[in-house]
Amino acid sequence: AQSVTQLDSQVPVFEEAPVELRCNYSSSVSVYLFWYVQYPNQGLQLLLKYLSGSTLVKSINGFEAEFNKSQTSFHLRKPSVHISDTAEYFCAVSEFRTSYGKLTFGQGTILTVHP
Amino acid sequence: GAVVSQHPSWVICKSGTSVKIECRSLDFQATTMFWYRQFPKQSLMLMATSNEGSKATYEQGVEKDKFLINHASLTLSTLTVTSAHPEDSSFYICSARGLAGLSSYNEQFFGPGTRLTVL
Repeated sequence: AQSVTQLDSQVPVFEEAPVELRCNYSSSVSVYLFWYVQYPNQGLQLLLKYLSGSTLVKSINGFEAEFNKSQTSFHLRKPSVHISDTAEYFCAVSEFRTSYGKLTFGQGTILTVHP
Repeated sequence: GAVVSQHPSWVICKSGTSVKIECRSLDFQATTMFWYRQFPKQSLMLMATSNEGSKATYEQGVEKDKFLINHASLTLSTLTVTSAHPEDSSFYICSARGLAGLSSYNEQFFGPGTRLTVL
């Protein structure tokens, strides 16, 4: 069975500072990895995903995440955050070609960007 | 991009009544739909997976007689919470996945969620 651990439940940071949201996963097979963002009272929006190829993946709004197979991690980073990045972020995993695309989510990390 | 809608966006009901939530894929055919629930300050927990035209597959611990799922068409799935009680109050989110394309992974697209409050 697959599982996801997000090590930080809340991350406060000042505007324009760098941020890292940590995510570790456990699975007995190869996986696909995702980061989703959720704004208050809204559904999830896909931020970025790792399916194959380059282990460093980037979003259009400056976030990036690196798949580290040896450490079973997929940490999310941004070099300079904005107030609008305040939201809850979920890391998720889906086992490769099994479980028909079922996603397992981490507990979520609330990112709060202060002016 | 692929759009998934949910209706209603919020609902308040009395204990003992049943509530139906609709999930629609607006611009693609969804062969598979997933239903999640999310308690305040917690993560999403998968409740069930439904494939069009067949019975839903429920996750362990989810009562199938209480959470009735119907996926009668390629664009609509419904979740009915029967005899709702206050402990069923939660944020219910659906996602939809279309036919597999050239990619080895078929992405899920999420609806905006439905907040259910049972008094």
